[in-house]
Amino acid sequence: QVQFVQSGAEMKKPGTSVRVSCKASGYTFSDYAINWVRQAPGQKPEWMGWISPANDNTKYSQRFLGRVTMTTDTSATTAYLALSSLRNEDTAVYYCAREHCSGGSCNRNFDYWGQGTLVTVSS
Amino acid sequence: QSALTQEASVSGTVGQKVTLSCAGNPNNIGSYDVGWYQQISHGAPKTVMLGNSLPSGIPGRFSGSKSGTTASLTISGLQPEDEAEYYCSTWDYSLRAVVFGGGTKLTVL
Repeated sequence: QVQFVQSGAEMKKPGTSVRVSCKASGYTFSDYAINWVRQAPGQKPEWMGWISPANDNTKYSQRFLGRVTMTTDTSATTAYLALSSLRNEDTAVYYCAREHCSGGSCNRNFDYWGQGTLVTVSS
Repeated sequence: QSALTQEASVSGTVGQKVTLSCAGNPNNIGSYDVGWYQQISHGAPKTVMLGNSLPSGIPGRFSGSKSGTTASLTISGLQPEDEAEYYCSTWDYSLRAVVFGGGTKLTVL
């Protein structure tokens, strides 16, 4: 079965960086894009961007341009999210989610999600 | 202000049929399929509908539809375990981003 296991909670100081991992299993990793979505306390989810493990093509949300980097390690079937210049407002649960594809067409909806990684930014 | 608008709260009794709506515009819902995600007690989201397709393992009482720029998630035969926050999302080609609605808190009375 499709499963994503994310790395553990992180405590970071403002101005530093964080990297979150997302280990995939149960399907061919390179066949589906991985999206990253974050959710601040009491807020709706917010899309950060996606990466295609097949060719490392990325698309980042304008809000995070310059601060976000998404990568994959296909041999380890793992996706990574790096966020730099952290601010208190980056405190959130970060999720990886697989993009849904059907009949060769993908539509930026998500079919499977990781369990989430809490990143707390505080001085 | 969200690109997608959902009711803040909806309630129903066990066995009742309830419909949650998600209103957008031609740049998003009018052009793309909508995903619906269930979040129970701030846990990880779970996908309950992809367009009008039911993901594997989701009960058949869930159904999805779209008319113009509004998508709907219907739960026929509400169960206590359906109590959750529900979010809709889709691609918005003018914003070049996936957008989420503000969420609907579904309460089972």
